[in-house]
Amino acid sequence: ELKVEQNPLFLSMQEGKNYTIYCNYSTTSDRLYWYRQDPGKSLESLFVLLSNGAVKQEGRLMASLDTKARLSTLHITAAVHDLSATYFCAVDPGGTSYGKLTFGQGTILTVHP
Amino acid sequence: NAGVTQTPKFQVLKTGQSMTLQCAQDMNHEYMSWYRQDPGMGLRLIHYSVGAGITDQGEVPNGYNVSRSTTEDFPLRLLSAAPSQTSVYFCASSDHRGRNTEAFFGQGTRLTVV
Repeated sequence: ELKVEQNPLFLSMQEGKNYTIYCNYSTTSDRLYWYRQDPGKSLESLFVLLSNGAVKQEGRLMASLDTKARLSTLHITAAVHDLSATYFCAVDPGGTSYGKLTFGQGTILTVHP
Repeated sequence: NAGVTQTPKFQVLKTGQSMTLQCAQDMNHEYMSWYRQDPGMGLRLIHYSVGAGITDQGEVPNGYNVSRSTTEDFPLRLLSAAPSQTSVYFCASSDHRGRNTEAFFGQGTRLTVV
């Protein structure tokens, strides 16, 4: 059974600081997603990571994937208040289970002035 | 391009009532799924479909039924609502045909069972 664990679950940051959210998963996967969710809203796709060593960057967010360690990271650089949201990683096992995403618990990020 | 459309956005049900949550996508995606989101638990897969006429159970299927008669639509039925089904429900669709494809989510249905 695929398990996905994120940490930390709660993250309070000061503006301008850097931090990393970790996503560990228990079995091999086809792809890994990072999503952002604002309160009361749907999930907004941030990154899709397909292969070992994949790194993607968008603005102050950078995601990476290490399939050997079964670990993905979401790095936040010089945080700003607008990044306050809940961030989820989700793993797609692929194969006959393609599209059956297993989500982490989510990381609630609050950026303070 | 509408993407994934869910209706209704909000619903209050009494225990024992039935209802159908609607989900439609206009991207010709093969794969559609339903998730529920509860505080502190992320999203959990309820039911899943790989195409018209084909459905499968996810992690938390009890109390829910699905069918998929067309590529576009994937309704979720609650036959006899229970307070434990109070949650936010998301429908998603995805396409297996490309390596850079992603899963798209609807806006969600917030369901309260009293």
